[in-house]
Amino acid sequence: GDSVTQMEGPVTLSEEAFLTINCTYTATGYPSLFWYVQYPGEGLQLLLKATKADDKGSNKGFEATYRKETTSFHLEKGSVQVSDSAVYFCALSGSSGGSYIPTFGRGTSLIVHP
Amino acid sequence: ETGVTQTPRHLVMGMTNKKSLKCEQHLGHNAMYWYKQSAKKPLELMFVYSLEERVENNSVPSRFSPECPNSSHLFLHLHTLQPEDSALYLCASSYGRRGNTEAFFGQGTRLTVV
Repeated sequence: GDSVTQMEGPVTLSEEAFLTINCTYTATGYPSLFWYVQYPGEGLQLLLKATKADDKGSNKGFEATYRKETTSFHLEKGSVQVSDSAVYFCALSGSSGGSYIPTFGRGTSLIVHP
Repeated sequence: ETGVTQTPRHLVMGMTNKKSLKCEQHLGHNAMYWYKQSAKKPLELMFVYSLEERVENNSVPSRFSPECPNSSHLFLHLHTLQPEDSALYLCASSYGRRGNTEAFFGQGTRLTVV
């Protein structure tokens, strides 16, 4: 079945540092890939997405590129802020296994210090 | 505001109580989901309703009972819960068989069982 693997957290950074959160997936065909963010006390919200190989999703300074050859969708940001502290989830759906039901990674907690 | 509304936001209930969680969306989505989010654990898919099917996670105890009267409303009926059922319960919706679209989440219901 489909699966998503994210790096273990927490990731702790100083403000303005470079961020990478690794995500790899296992799925058949060409799923769509997503990054969601969850701020404390809230539900998940979509951060960015990519629907085909080599697409780059971007939003709020975050970027991720759909790499079919390495089955990866790593999240990056050039300069993090304290307000980026949250839990980040990598997810996929729409694999040729047919499932529209999203598959989520375990989440990676990001803590940014001033 | 994601377009998915959950009520109540917080709920404290005794182990002998019966209560229901409500979820509502007016995004035109045709699939709705219940997830359980516990500390230090992955997101757990509990139930899915879509036009085509109902999907159940077989590990979910029978003290949780979903109801989906139409494509816009989803309930989770709770009875004789245990303290380990304390968690954040998240509702989500999506376009179902259009598998390359994202899920929209509500803000969750924080449930405490005493």
